[in-house]
Amino acid sequence: KAGVTQTPRYLIKTRGQQVTLSCSPISGHRSVSWYQQTPGQGLQFLFEYFSETQRNKGNFPGRFSGRQFSNSRSEMNVSTLELGDSALYLCASRIWGTDFSYEQYFGPGTRLTVT
Amino acid sequence: QQPVQSPQAVILREGEDAVINCSSSKALYSVHWYRQKHGEAPVFLMILLKGGEQKGHEKISASFNEKKQQSSLYLTASQLSYSGTYFCGTELAGNQFYFGTGTSLTVIP
Repeated sequence: KAGVTQTPRYLIKTRGQQVTLSCSPISGHRSVSWYQQTPGQGLQFLFEYFSETQRNKGNFPGRFSGRQFSNSRSEMNVSTLELGDSALYLCASRIWGTDFSYEQYFGPGTRLTVT
Repeated sequence: QQPVQSPQAVILREGEDAVINCSSSKALYSVHWYRQKHGEAPVFLMILLKGGEQKGHEKISASFNEKKQQSSLYLTASQLSYSGTYFCGTELAGNQFYFGTGTSLTVIP
């Protein structure tokens, strides 16, 4: 079974620009979560999507947004980039269930550098 | 809401044991443990659920104290391959998920 894929793997943007990152989950996984990873803050939860609906949202400004498509693929968008947005953005997919907790499978991440 | 992990870093010699702790201020539905090696994505190790059910890695054990909202990961007879950063992830009601700040584990020969 193919793993979680993320594109692009590396990205360099300038302050003020916007960026869109893409994530394709494992086949059959309908939940996709996004995380921001930085050396000082660890893994910070951005949001989780299931069935094209945002189910949970972390404590990030409105410049961070996402969406999920009917095939469970997800995109994350960051507008008006700031230097502090430089980070590794990880996507994770899992089986969604309200009666059980399922493990997350992570993609390799997109390394975003804002200059 | 981010769980607190301790210690922040630990260095072991091969064969030694280690315990990593994770504590939350919120009532937990489950606790997950992941390991991330340098330059790689986090990899699932174990899930612990309320009520004692566990699912995970055969060579790693963990506990979940529901009353104290605490979990501990036990690494026994450590191997060089155990090196990496360990994250606990806590799941709250409504499937809200938060990772701890991580514990760096280094195993030396």
